[in-house]
Amino acid sequence: ILNVEQSPQSLHVQEGDSTNFTCSFPSSNFYALHWYRWETAKSPEALFVMTLNGDEKKKGRISATLNTKEGYSYLYIKGSQPEDSATYLCAPNSGGYQKVTFGTGTKLQVIP
Amino acid sequence: EAGVTQSPTHLIKTRGQQATLRCSPISGHTSVYWYQQALGLGLQFLLWYDEGEERNRGNFPPRFSGRQFPNYSSELNVNALELEDSALYLCASSLGQLLLNTEAFFGQGTRLTVV
Repeated sequence: ILNVEQSPQSLHVQEGDSTNFTCSFPSSNFYALHWYRWETAKSPEALFVMTLNGDEKKKGRISATLNTKEGYSYLYIKGSQPEDSATYLCAPNSGGYQKVTFGTGTKLQVIP
Repeated sequence: EAGVTQSPTHLIKTRGQQATLRCSPISGHTSVYWYQQALGLGLQFLLWYDEGEERNRGNFPPRFSGRQFPNYSSELNVNALELEDSALYLCASSLGQLLLNTEAFFGQGTRLTVV
């Protein structure tokens, strides 16, 4: 079981602010990392799957970077909007065990 | 196309009873995963089924078990329920065996309450 840490646990930002949060994981035996967004009363939805060191993915105002050598990934949200309010989960995959371990998430609230 | 569906939405059981939770994956998906989210904790991996076989399980006692049917739907059984089994149970499915380069699609979960 991987030790996955996400920080901060929760975050309040004003509408229009940019923000970022971190997912840390053991760098050994790394294969892929998933980011999911989990809105209240909905199912988690995939944002990105990242596999290579230095990967950078972008979807609209949301982007993510990956550093597999030091074991972290950043998720950035530019110009936060109320609809970005959700819990953001990261999930590194330990490859050989073929299972995804989720962090406890960062709960983002964007204040209008 | 229907997404991952779980039933029931809510379930209330008494300590010591058994609970059965059901999951129907997206059509064509052969892998089904079960996760538990207890209050204040992250998603904890429970079980992974693919092509009818249990492929992996997390650090849960044997009273957590399940199966996958020929149509790839799945059932999670929790025997001898304990109060700390109260949690949201999420099911996810993916195309193919591995989650490595494919996304997981989640259901909306079953909220199990043990009293």
